[in-house]
Amino acid sequence: DIQMTQSPSSLSASVGDRVTITCRASQSVSKYLNWFQQQPGKAPKLLIYAASSLESGVPSRFSGSGSGTDFTLTISSLQPEDFATYYCQQSYSTPYTFGQGTKLEIK
Amino acid sequence: QITLKESGPTLVKPTQTLTLTCTFSGFSLSTSGVGVGWIRQPPGKALEWLTLIYWDDDKRYSPSLESRLTITKDTSKNQVVLTMTNMDPVDTATYYCAHVVYGSGSYRFDPWGQGTLVTVSS
Repeated sequence: DIQMTQSPSSLSASVGDRVTITCRASQSVSKYLNWFQQQPGKAPKLLIYAASSLESGVPSRFSGSGSGTDFTLTISSLQPEDFATYYCQQSYSTPYTFGQGTKLEIK
Repeated sequence: QITLKESGPTLVKPTQTLTLTCTFSGFSLSTSGVGVGWIRQPPGKALEWLTLIYWDDDKRYSPSLESRLTITKDTSKNQVVLTMTNMDPVDTATYYCAHVVYGSGSYRFDPWGQGTLVTVSS
């Protein structure tokens, strides 16, 4: 199995801050990398696919980059609705493993 | 508009078999490149990918659970069924199904169903 490791596990930030979350794969996944946002009690929502492609309807303050083993999700200017948990997922080979999540909290 | 909804028991006893149904609309599971996956999330924990069935009936399973899982599809009913045998309290989780499509260089898991909480307890 490909292991996905996110950092940090939790993060405190303020509205308007720029934040970056990192995801590292235990072996290359090319650009087969998804990012999801999950609000409490809700199903995950796809934000970014193919490492850097923005899902339709997702605000442009979200961006993704990387390839191979190292990836980042950046939120350029945090909004109140962005405080949630974020997960990366590789879709390069099954099992399509997820990272352990990054909880973004209000400072 | 694509929608999915999970249904099944909310409580099962240890050693029992869990059967969950994902009923979807807005797409066909006979369309090339399309699939339906199952993912679970224990309370307060991370997401865990379980299994996936593709339009051509190709099936993939998590190796750690493969001996206990079966996924099937009924294209005429727009349903995908997940069966998990020998349930244990550690299998207590919210179970999600998701629409999966290959395109633009990635497998996209979007959208997801609302999820169904399954508790394993005697």
